[in-house]
Amino acid sequence: QKEVEQDPGPLSVPEGAIVSLNCTYSNSAFQYFMWYRQYSRKGPELLMYTYSSGNKEDGRFTAQVDKSSKYISLFIRDSQPSDSATYLCAMSADSGNTPLVFGKGTRLSVIA
Amino acid sequence: GAVVSQHPSRVICKSGTSVKIECRSLDFQATTMFWYRQFPKQSLMLMATSNEGSKATYEQGVEKDKFLINHASLTLSTLTVTSAHPEDSSFYICSAKGANYGYTFGSGTRLTVV
Repeated sequence: QKEVEQDPGPLSVPEGAIVSLNCTYSNSAFQYFMWYRQYSRKGPELLMYTYSSGNKEDGRFTAQVDKSSKYISLFIRDSQPSDSATYLCAMSADSGNTPLVFGKGTRLSVIA
Repeated sequence: GAVVSQHPSRVICKSGTSVKIECRSLDFQATTMFWYRQFPKQSLMLMATSNEGSKATYEQGVEKDKFLINHASLTLSTLTVTSAHPEDSSFYICSAKGANYGYTFGSGTRLTVV
């Protein structure tokens, strides 16, 4: 079993839809959880950062962490064509300088 | 916010030549740099981790003599692909982390070896 599992998609939704992206993980030591957005041929950019369990909202984006289930989610409300990208979940056990562990990434297409 | 500048964004080189990719943290000191390789439609594959002033730690299966990493200062790390071959063609991405900063990624370098 990989440390982080993420459905690669592709996921295609109509404009305005609510998008739900998810990752599961096996390492209970993970405490820091991130979602990155990566456009084609670009580096990943940080969307959301969450420590431990709970919800975090930023504009149209909401990140949820359920440590008891080892499950994290990213919700995108009122999705736009500009949201079309690959979304990568990433996590770490500490706030030091250990490498992030990434999911495979989910390719999202929002159709106008 | 934290910015990491990566250059060049694209490079085409002949087989057998070497290519250097630079990664600079513009507004913070990067105590640790990470170098990734990404194949089309796949996730990031960690190649190596480097701490300023120390030798890089390479992941299993990554040839350290082929992928030379230098992190001589707190704002600059370089990856040199030596004697490049077509199978080295890929998208290379750096990531920098500082004491009070999260993981910030460069914009990536697309290397094509012909």
